[in-house]
Amino acid sequence: KQEVTQIPAALSVPEGENLVLNCSFTDSAIYNLQWFRQDPGKGLTSLLLIQSSQREQTSGRLNASLDKSSGRSTLYIAASQPGDSATYLCAVKYSGGATNKLIFGTGTLLAVQP
Amino acid sequence: NAGVTQTPKFQVLKTGQSMTLQCAQDMNHNSMYWYRQDPGMGLRLIYYSASEGTTDKGEVPNGYNVSRLNKREFSLRLESAAPSQTSVYFCASSPNSGPLSGRQPQHFGDGTRLSIL
Repeated sequence: KQEVTQIPAALSVPEGENLVLNCSFTDSAIYNLQWFRQDPGKGLTSLLLIQSSQREQTSGRLNASLDKSSGRSTLYIAASQPGDSATYLCAVKYSGGATNKLIFGTGTLLAVQP
Repeated sequence: NAGVTQTPKFQVLKTGQSMTLQCAQDMNHNSMYWYRQDPGMGLRLIYYSASEGTTDKGEVPNGYNVSRLNKREFSLRLESAAPSQTSVYFCASSPNSGPLSGRQPQHFGDGTRLSIL
């Protein structure tokens, strides 16, 4: 079964700290991997999308890496701010099967303390 | 920019009642999706529409029907609501369909919070 796991489920850090969120997937035959942010009571906002042929993507203070062979992705957030507090979800699109199907992890709830 | 708009935002139903959740996007996207989000289970795909006039089942389609009314609108219908369908429902869209569908991120609405008593 194709699964996506995110550990830890929750994380609290002081403002200014660099942090890493983890995502692991069971099948290395992925098409791409996306990181999303979800604020309370809101929908998902796409942060970064990494194609299977790429190793990393960067946007501002965010850097996402992809290692297909080990089934892992990390989201690195530099110099965290209270405004970064949200739930971060990763989602994998696998090759083959239903073309538009994303498999989501259950997310990491991040709290950045001022 | 409105993006993806879902209505209603909240709804309470009694078991056995029917209801339609509405979704509209103004980005001229080809593909649209319906997900449900439950605690501890992540988002799961209910149905999707790769392009106007087509719909396909996702991971958890039982108890739901969908209609791709036109390119902008994709509705989700519960014919006979059950307590197990209490959830937060998200609609999403993406620009491409077919082999290119995975190269663009999906854009999400703010969700419909549905409680079935």
